[in-house]
Amino acid sequence: ELKVEQNPLFLSMQEGKNYTIYCNYSTTSDRLYWYRQDPGKSLESLFVLLSNGAVKQEGRLMASLDTKARLSTLHITAAVHDLSATYFCAASYNNNDMRFGAGTRLTVKP
Amino acid sequence: NAGVTQTPKFQVLKTGQSMTLQCAQDMNHEYMSWYRQDPGMGLRLIHYSVGAGITDQGEVPNGYNVSRSTTEDFPLRLLSAAPSQTSVYFCASSYSAARNEKLFFGSGTQLSVL
Repeated sequence: ELKVEQNPLFLSMQEGKNYTIYCNYSTTSDRLYWYRQDPGKSLESLFVLLSNGAVKQEGRLMASLDTKARLSTLHITAAVHDLSATYFCAASYNNNDMRFGAGTRLTVKP
Repeated sequence: NAGVTQTPKFQVLKTGQSMTLQCAQDMNHEYMSWYRQDPGMGLRLIHYSVGAGITDQGEVPNGYNVSRSTTEDFPLRLLSAAPSQTSVYFCASSYSAARNEKLFFGSGTQLSVL
């Protein structure tokens, strides 16, 4: 059964600093997704990674996928307060089933 | 475009009551799904549908029923509500049943079962 683990679960960082969120998954999956959720809100898609070595970037966020290591990372560059949110990774299973990690609650402090 | 619309936004039920959470999308998406979100956990898939007339179980289907009579609508039925079903429920859809594409989420329904 596909399991997805994120770490850290809580992350407090200062503005301007860099950090990485890690997402490990337990069985073969070649589709990895990153979502953002603001408090009390719905989820917003950030990235879809479809192949080994895939890298996608949007603004201060960059996501990568290593299918051999079963690892995806979300790298935050020069964090700003607006990035404060909960970030979820999810891996697809059997094409129709998506399994989510527990989420990383990011707080960016001035 | 309205996107994915969920109703109601909030609901309080007594144990044993039944109700239906509504979900509609206007993007002609083939794939629709229901998730529940509990504190400290990610989203867990309840049921999904790859097209009208086709549904299947996800990770946590017990206590829930679904049907997909049209492309647009995918209601979730709680047969006999239990306190363990207190959660935030999200409906989501995507264009392709192959699931290479991102999900579009509704705004969620906060359900409390007393």
